[in-house]
Amino acid sequence: ELKVEQNPLFLSMQEGKNYTIYCNYSTTSDRLYWYRQDPGKSLESLFVLLSNGAVKQEGRLMASLDTKARLSTLHITAAVHDLSATYFCAVDTNNNDMRFGAGTRLTVKP
Amino acid sequence: NAGVTQTPKFRILKIGQSMTLQCTQDMNHNYMYWYRQDPGMGLKLIYYSVGAGITDKGEVPNGYNVSRSTTEDFPLRLELAAPSQTSVYFCASSYGWGSYGYTFGSGTRLTVV
Repeated sequence: ELKVEQNPLFLSMQEGKNYTIYCNYSTTSDRLYWYRQDPGKSLESLFVLLSNGAVKQEGRLMASLDTKARLSTLHITAAVHDLSATYFCAVDTNNNDMRFGAGTRLTVKP
Repeated sequence: NAGVTQTPKFRILKIGQSMTLQCTQDMNHNYMYWYRQDPGMGLKLIYYSVGAGITDKGEVPNGYNVSRSTTEDFPLRLELAAPSQTSVYFCASSYGWGSYGYTFGSGTRLTVV
């Protein structure tokens, strides 16, 4: 059974700092997704990573995928308060399903 | 475009009652999904559909039923509600499998008392 682990689960960081969120998964998959969820809101798609070595960037966020290591990272550069949210990674199970991690609750403080 | 629309947004049910959560999408997506999100947790798949007339179980289907009579609609039925079904329910859709992220609805917050 595919298991998806994110760490850290909670992250408090100061504005202007850099940090990385990690997403490990237990079985082979070529597709990984990152979502953002604001409190009480729905999930917003951030990145779709479809192959080994894929790297995508949007503003201060950059996501990468290493399928051999079964690892994806979400790197935050020069954090700002607006990035405060919960970030989920989700891995394609190759069975019409995505398995979600537990989420990383990010708080960016001034 | 409205995207994925869920109703109701909030609902309180008594143990043993039944209800239907509605989900409609206007993007002509073939794939539709129902997830539940428990507090502080990720999402778990309840049921999914790859097209009208086709549905299949996900990770946590017990206590739920679905139907897909049209491309647009994918209602989720709760029979004999139990406190363990207290959760936030999200409907999602996608154009196809694998290459696309999902578009999520705004969620239904259900409490069973």
